[in-house]
Amino acid sequence: EVQLLESGGGLVQPGGSLRLSCAASGFTFSSYDMSWVRQAPGMGLEWVAGISTDGSLRDYADSVKGRFTISRDNSKNTLYLQMNSLRVDDTAVYYCANFGGGHWGQGTLVTVSS
Amino acid sequence: EIVMTQTPLSSPVTLGQPASISCRSSQSLVQSNGKTYLSWLQQRPGQPPRLLIYEISNRFSGVPDRFSGSGAGTDFTLKISRVEAEDVGVYYCMQGAHFPRTFGQGTKVEIK
Repeated sequence: EVQLLESGGGLVQPGGSLRLSCAASGFTFSSYDMSWVRQAPGMGLEWVAGISTDGSLRDYADSVKGRFTISRDNSKNTLYLQMNSLRVDDTAVYYCANFGGGHWGQGTLVTVSS
Repeated sequence: EIVMTQTPLSSPVTLGQPASISCRSSQSLVQSNGKTYLSWLQQRPGQPPRLLIYEISNRFSGVPDRFSGSGAGTDFTLKISRVEAEDVGVYYCMQGAHFPRTFGQGTKVEIK
């Protein structure tokens, strides 16, 4: 069974940092590009960042460029999102997604508030 | 950035009746390999998104055959042949042809 399990969300003050993790199982993680997608409360879906199979290619939404870094460790079947300089409008549920395989995690909530 | 525009944004439907959602992209989604990377996602209340359709018309594993996708180039449609209670939720189109990946605004399907 395919599983994508996000962790690392929580409450953080504006300007703070968090690192999200996504543990993958049930498929060959190293064979798929991966992405992070977020959903602010009551809003639609926003793609945040994507990374190629070997980590050599990365791309970001303009809204997070220069603040967020996507990475992966294929030996640990884990995807990461390092989030720095967090702002109130980064508050959202963050999903890990394997678009090519059609799988999404359950999400982890990040709340940025003073 | 490719803009994905969905219509309608809300669709009240009678149980057992059909529903249709349109999605238009601001640029062609056809790639050099001939494939068109347009997907449809369903998000039930309180749940993460779930893939329904990929590459315009291919149903993902386990998706009931009452869901179908069609279209080409920049115009796409998701149809539900007979709406069931479990189909209530928000439906999104998504393009995977260009970075940044973008989604439609979402269409809320609800029962009349």
